[in-house]
Amino acid sequence: SSELTQPPSVSVSPGQTAKITCSGRVLPKQYAYWIQQRPGQAPVVVISKDTERPSGIPERFSGSTSGTIVTLTITGVQTEDEADYYCQSGDTTGVSVVFGGGTTLTVL
Amino acid sequence: QVQLMESGGGVVHPGGSRRLSCVGSGFMFNGYAVHWVRRAPGKGLEWVAVISQDGSHQYYGDPVKGRFTISRDNSKNTLYLQLNGLRSDDTAMYYCARDTGPTGPPWAFDIWGQGTMVTVSS
Repeated sequence: SSELTQPPSVSVSPGQTAKITCSGRVLPKQYAYWIQQRPGQAPVVVISKDTERPSGIPERFSGSTSGTIVTLTITGVQTEDEADYYCQSGDTTGVSVVFGGGTTLTVL
Repeated sequence: QVQLMESGGGVVHPGGSRRLSCVGSGFMFNGYAVHWVRRAPGKGLEWVAVISQDGSHQYYGDPVKGRFTISRDNSKNTLYLQLNGLRSDDTAMYYCARDTGPTGPPWAFDIWGQGTMVTVSS
């Protein structure tokens, strides 16, 4: 079982705000990353180190953290944002990588 | 352009072996740790293994320990994954992904390849 817990699915209409949460007891101690995977495409990192947006990622993507929960927020969702989103961090030993179970974002 | 390109996937019988390759280009390959991550059909991402920049340290996920081996040849800008004792639950798209630094932990990805599919079936 994953040490990071995400909701299986989130649905929003275009232009609305989508929030995807990830909870885990390692999160106060280790950075979280958010990874987007569109159908049939390679994964892409959209948020690094809890809140940093890598070069080339649209400003509508942001990350926040509060205790054992990190949140990916997409403000003004576009149809191209429809994808699976994974949070990623380290395990409790700090040695291995763990992924959350993934959240499918549907843009209605 | 910074790029990773995987190859070597295919159909393998249960108990069989396969070697995957990942070639890096557009960056100093020997400056970064590199990972393998997989995604089984209908499932989420699962971390497989990582190797440090100089190959001196390797770490594995529990499901593959003792069966898979990660290695690299920096003279060829190439990462490998040797898969032995394959099972049906190893069926997945296998991705290589560059780490943000030369070693760890902690680990963090930045660049990902397009993946190569391994199907374990009789």
